Amino acid sequence: DAGVIQSPRHEVTEMGQEVTLRCKPISGHNSLFWYRQTMMRGLELLIYFNNNVPIDDSGMPEDRFSAKMPNASFSTLKIQPSEPRDSAVYFCAIRTISFANGELFFGEGSRLTVL
Amino acid sequence: DQQVKQNSPSLSVQEGRISILNCDYTNSMFDYFLWYKKYPAEGPTFLISISSIKDKNEDGRFTVFLNKSAKHLSLHIVPSQPGDSAVYFCAASAPEKLVFGKGTKLTVNP
Repeated sequence: DAGVIQSPRHEVTEMGQEVTLRCKPISGHNSLFWYRQTMMRGLELLIYFNNNVPIDDSGMPEDRFSAKMPNASFSTLKIQPSEPRDSAVYFCAIRTISFANGELFFGEGSRLTVL
Repeated sequence: DQQVKQNSPSLSVQEGRISILNCDYTNSMFDYFLWYKKYPAEGPTFLISISSIKDKNEDGRFTVFLNKSAKHLSLHIVPSQPGDSAVYFCAASAPEKLVFGKGTKLTVNP
C-alpha cells in the first residue's frame, strides 16, 4: 500500500531559526508534492518532483524556502530563516505509478508554528 | 487568482439529509476533478473523482456532478452521517499536478 511518513508532526520554533521538514514515501511512486495548508489560502502547491527531479517550484513563496529530493525515498523542505507567517501545516503527497489520473496520497502533515 | 474556488467556508446539515458542496473553476483546460476529505490532524484522503468527459459519477452515498459549461462541480452526500463531518477539498488536475480550493467544513448534526 502507498504511504507517506512525515516528520516532525509538530514543530515550534522562533523567528529566524532554520526549519527542516522531512518526507519518506514508503512505496512505489513517480511524483512527490509539497503542499502548505493555511486558513487563508487553503492547500497550496509549493513544489513537485518527477522521478526525483524538481519540475515546478513556482509555488515556493520566497528564496527562504528550498526543497530537495536526493533519492526516491526521501525529501526535505527547508525554511531558512523562518518567519511567523510561515506557520501552517505542511503536507507531503505522492502520486503512485498505478494511478494515472492525479489521485494523491498525503502524509499526516507537519504543523509548524513560528513564534 | 484562485483557479479552483469553494465559496462556502462552512456548511451545517442534519443527519439523514443531503449535503451539497459546491466548487467553481476558471481554467477550461482542467481534465479531471477530485474531491478530498480531511479530518483534523490527518492528511487529506481521496474521496471521489470525475473525468471532464462525464457529467456524473456515483460511489455509494457520494455523487459528483460536473457542469462544464458553467465550470461548476458539486458533491452530494446522501444521506449525511455524523462521521461525514470533515473539511472537503475540491481539486482539479492540471494535468501533472492538482490545484485545490480552500475547502468547505461540513458539520453533520445528529
